[in-house]
Amino acid sequence: AQSVSQHNHHVILSEAASLELGCNYSYGGTVNLFWYVQYPGQHLQLLLKYFSGDPLVKGIKGFEAEFIKSKFSFNLRKPSVQWSDTAEYFCAVKEGNNNAGNMLTFGGGTRLMVKP
Amino acid sequence: GAGVSQSPRYKVAKRGQDVALRCDPISGHVSLFWYQQALGQGPEFLTYFQNEAQLDKSGLPSDRFFAERPEGSVSTLKIQRTQQEDSAVYLCASTTPGGRYGYTFGSGTRLTVV
Repeated sequence: AQSVSQHNHHVILSEAASLELGCNYSYGGTVNLFWYVQYPGQHLQLLLKYFSGDPLVKGIKGFEAEFIKSKFSFNLRKPSVQWSDTAEYFCAVKEGNNNAGNMLTFGGGTRLMVKP
Repeated sequence: GAGVSQSPRYKVAKRGQDVALRCDPISGHVSLFWYQQALGQGPEFLTYFQNEAQLDKSGLPSDRFFAERPEGSVSTLKIQRTQQEDSAVYLCASTTPGGRYGYTFGSGTRLTVV
């Protein structure tokens, strides 16, 4: 079974600082990769996803992520965070064989707090 | 509807009570997933439907958990004889085949067993 690791459980940054959240997965085959964000009291929202093509993926709200196949990683980045980015961030992986049935496997999440 | 709708939003159950949680997916989404999210953790897969067929129930933690989707749209997750360890947020997600446009999640049902 595949697994997803998010090594940073809690991150505290000041506004305008740069952000990088780590995500590593264990599956050796083709993968589809996702980052979700969960603002306090809200549902999971998709930030960005990678299926194929350019390994540098741009998402909403200025976030981007880079798929590095050799490192089994899909780290999330943002050059300058805002207070409104305070949330929990989840990396998720799906086996990429285009089977509609494949579920997402989630990491444990990273709780980001941005100080104003 | 515009999103995935789940009800109730909150449920408090006495230990031993049966509960039923409802999920109304996005219209036209044939794939539906249930996840369990314990406090401070990422969502864990429970079960998957394609239309009305339950194709994967490998994540259901015990035979007290049962899910159905009889007409291929609304789904119900039922937990019988609830235990304290069942306390969690239960999330429902739906997607188009292949998931290429992302999986859309509902707001979840927070179940507290007392």
